[in-house]
Amino acid sequence: DQQVKQNSPSLSVQEGRISILNCDYTNSMFDYFLWYKKYPAEGPTFLISISSIKDKNEDGRFTVFLNKSAKHLSLHIVPSQPGDSAVYFCAARYHGQNFVFGPGTRLSVLP
Amino acid sequence: DTEVTQTPKHLVMGMTNKKSLKCEQHMGHRAMYWYKQKAKKPPELMFVYSYEKLSINESVPSRFSPECPNSSLLNLHLHALQPEDSALYLCASSRTSGSSYNEQFFGPGTRLTVL
Repeated sequence: DQQVKQNSPSLSVQEGRISILNCDYTNSMFDYFLWYKKYPAEGPTFLISISSIKDKNEDGRFTVFLNKSAKHLSLHIVPSQPGDSAVYFCAARYHGQNFVFGPGTRLSVLP
Repeated sequence: DTEVTQTPKHLVMGMTNKKSLKCEQHMGHRAMYWYKQKAKKPPELMFVYSYEKLSINESVPSRFSPECPNSSLLNLHLHALQPEDSALYLCASSRTSGSSYNEQFFGPGTRLTVL
């Protein structure tokens, strides 16, 4: 049973426009959510996170929104750049140390 | 130094071999993690060390044996692996675990092939 879901395997966006990546979860014990970006042949790179007590966190071009009642979070990238093309993983934490990753969404930003 | 290093980058081994994967960080992080990632799948947590003590073992078979000799090093000893164990093995570290909100820093991974 997938506890963290990313229902869009891929997403294509024009350069300069907004990219919105979505993530849904089922475990109400998750207290911390993170987004990672992964290029081929590299480990995941941390992008941005949000604790369960907040509903928004912003860092430069990246904003994460959390809707606890809907068990849904999203990552907004504005403006999108070709260098943002990568696989994006949503991850969630429970019991302080257990991290569960979603299946990932491949973002392609077209020039 | 904000890097997690992993060696080797690639490893090919037979089912009767014994080998070890190594991970190192010099960020003063006190939590270290091993993940396994199969192709087109998300990373799956295997082990967590917190202050050099094993705190989580996600029902990993005993042919995988982790070791944390000190706060900067994490090893994964491999013995009698199966071809289905072929995967990318990722190491990560974070400042601490528990209630603090600390992101994980990942290494580039070791690509393991079991013949």
